[in-house]
Amino acid sequence: DAGITQSPRHKVTETGTPVTLRCHQTENHRYMYWYRQDPGHGLRLIHYSYGVKDTDKGEVSDGYSVSRSKTEDFLLTLESATSSQTSVYFCAISERAANNSPLHFGNGTRLTVT
Amino acid sequence: AQSVSQHNHHVILSEAASLELGCNYSYGGTVNLFWYVQYPGQHLQLLLKYFSGDPLVKGIKGFEAEFIKSKFSFNLRKPSVQWSDTAEYFCAVHNQGGKLIFGQGTELSVKP
Repeated sequence: DAGITQSPRHKVTETGTPVTLRCHQTENHRYMYWYRQDPGHGLRLIHYSYGVKDTDKGEVSDGYSVSRSKTEDFLLTLESATSSQTSVYFCAISERAANNSPLHFGNGTRLTVT
Repeated sequence: AQSVSQHNHHVILSEAASLELGCNYSYGGTVNLFWYVQYPGQHLQLLLKYFSGDPLVKGIKGFEAEFIKSKFSFNLRKPSVQWSDTAEYFCAVHNQGGKLIFGQGTELSVKP
């Protein structure tokens, strides 16, 4: 398995609080992604990064921000958590752009917003 | 907007039955196609991919998929399923210059 660590693995938080999820990789891959997985919706891209300090929005970016100050770390922040952001969040990495290289996924973070 | 449809939400089969999971996409240009599998409690793993060449692609664990451009389809097949194939299966499509879009997923339950 690719060296991807997501933290925390589980989190319960209250509505309105900020939350930061971390993705750490040891593969030195250029591309990193944050997806959320919800029943009936599959995986939806939140944000992605194509290099240090280079990020772009995905399909469902509202309410989320990201930062990538180092190749190995990609942080996802929920600025003010809402119940609709209860989900399982997956980080993924790829060596090249997603059209030319398969994604390797982390083990996920289960977030519950009460 | 580009979309990926997996029409089967939940498939239940007995061991040794044949499997075919449908995947259709809406983009008309050049695409790269993927199937990922998620075993219970685990993360997604690549099952197989199609970039170009032979439209019949073979992946791991006896799975294969056929790209039919005229039908905008990339269906996943396995001649004889096993209980260990119980998982959720995701089709994903990437068009040139775009982003990777996943289908809704198909949950496969194989009865021993």
